[in-house]
Amino acid sequence: DAKTTQPNSMESNEEEPVHLPCNHSTISGTDYIHWYRQLPSQGPEYVIHGLTSNVNNRMASLAIAEDRKSSTLILHRATLRDAAVYYCILRTYSGAGSYQLTFGKGTKLSVIP
Amino acid sequence: GAGVSQSPSNKVTEKGKDVELRCDPISGHTALYWYRQSLGQGLEFLIYFQGNSAPDKSGLPSDRFSAERTGGSVSTLTIQRTQQEDSAVYLCASSLGAQGRTEAFFGQGTRLTVV
Repeated sequence: DAKTTQPNSMESNEEEPVHLPCNHSTISGTDYIHWYRQLPSQGPEYVIHGLTSNVNNRMASLAIAEDRKSSTLILHRATLRDAAVYYCILRTYSGAGSYQLTFGKGTKLSVIP
Repeated sequence: GAGVSQSPSNKVTEKGKDVELRCDPISGHTALYWYRQSLGQGLEFLIYFQGNSAPDKSGLPSDRFSAERTGGSVSTLTIQRTQQEDSAVYLCASSLGAQGRTEAFFGQGTRLTVV
């Protein structure tokens, strides 16, 4: 199974950019890179996803290495509401036309006022 | 425009009793996932539905756990003869399809406590 590796925790100062790294050295050509985050006492929420090219949306940016073995989620300006556990996930093909969504341990982001 | 709805939000049950947890996915979403999250831990995959069929049940921890989905919509996760180690938050997610590019939407979960 394709897996991801993330730091257990990171800290950021409020209003500064945050770069959350993820390694996925066993990624295959059909695997999509997804990021979700989970705020305390809530279900996970989708942040962003990509396949090969860098992606931007209203929440964040996703930078994908050329060899796709790593990626970085970028929060351009951290706020206190961004304090959460961030999960980097590979959406991997599991047969029968479906893609798994398997979570790892994630990175706990703390934002310092 | 309701999101994924789970009920009950909290359930306390006695050891040995059966419990049913319900998930109402977003209308039109064909893929449905169940996860379990123990305190302070990550999400553990349980089962995946595409329509009413479950092509991947690999995460169900024991034969005490079962799930069904009817009408391509509502899903029920049943735990028989509950044990204390079943205590966790049970999360349901749905997505428009199960392709790699589709995003999943999660409910708020059911917090199950077995006493």
